[in-house]
Amino acid sequence: GEDVEQSLFLSVREGDSSVINCTYTDSSSTYLYWYKQEPGAGLQLLTYIFSNMDMKQDQRLTVLLNKKDKHLSLRIADTQTGDSAIYFCAESIGSNDYKLSFGAGTTVTVRA
Amino acid sequence: NAGVTQTPKFRILKIGQSMTLQCTQDMNHNYMYWYRQDPGMGLKLIYYSVGAGITDKGEVPNGYNVSRSTTEDFPLRLELAAPSQTSVYFCASSYSVAGGRSLSKLNTEAFFGQGTRLTVV
Repeated sequence: GEDVEQSLFLSVREGDSSVINCTYTDSSSTYLYWYKQEPGAGLQLLTYIFSNMDMKQDQRLTVLLNKKDKHLSLRIADTQTGDSAIYFCAESIGSNDYKLSFGAGTTVTVRA
Repeated sequence: NAGVTQTPKFRILKIGQSMTLQCTQDMNHNYMYWYRQDPGMGLKLIYYSVGAGITDKGEVPNGYNVSRSTTEDFPLRLELAAPSQTSVYFCASSYSVAGGRSLSKLNTEAFFGQGTRLTVV
């Protein structure tokens, strides 16, 4: 079965780096995703990584993938108040790239 | 540029009442989904559709029904509302062969509506 786990809360000081961790179970996932949900809004794709990659960098975002341990992380450099949101880790389910299994979400709070 | 539009945004239902949550998308996406979001539980897939006329159950389909008569619309029906159905409901769509509006150019990117907060009392 599919089970994505992530810690529920993270508090970080403005300007510091945030690291959000996630573990997943489906080793056949083609893609792994990070979605961001701002208050009162739906989820938006933040970044993603193809399963044959170890790392992906996109401006302030760095995604690390450890396939052996089924561990995914998202690092946000120079965290800003606008980064306060809920971050969801998600994996595609088996060969069905269009079906996703989501974690419970990590609420990131950025304090001044 | 509407994207995925859900209505209503909020609703209070009495136990046993029925209602339909509406969802429409203008991106010509093949796939559409309904999720529910409960606190600390993440999103659970209720139903999904891979194209007009085709629907399938997700993880938590009991108490719900869907239909997909057109590419654009994917309504979710609650027939006999129960307190356990109090949740935030999200509709999403994805996978346009042409790549659609995805800035990431990732066909599997899911676009979400703003959600419907449903309370059953």
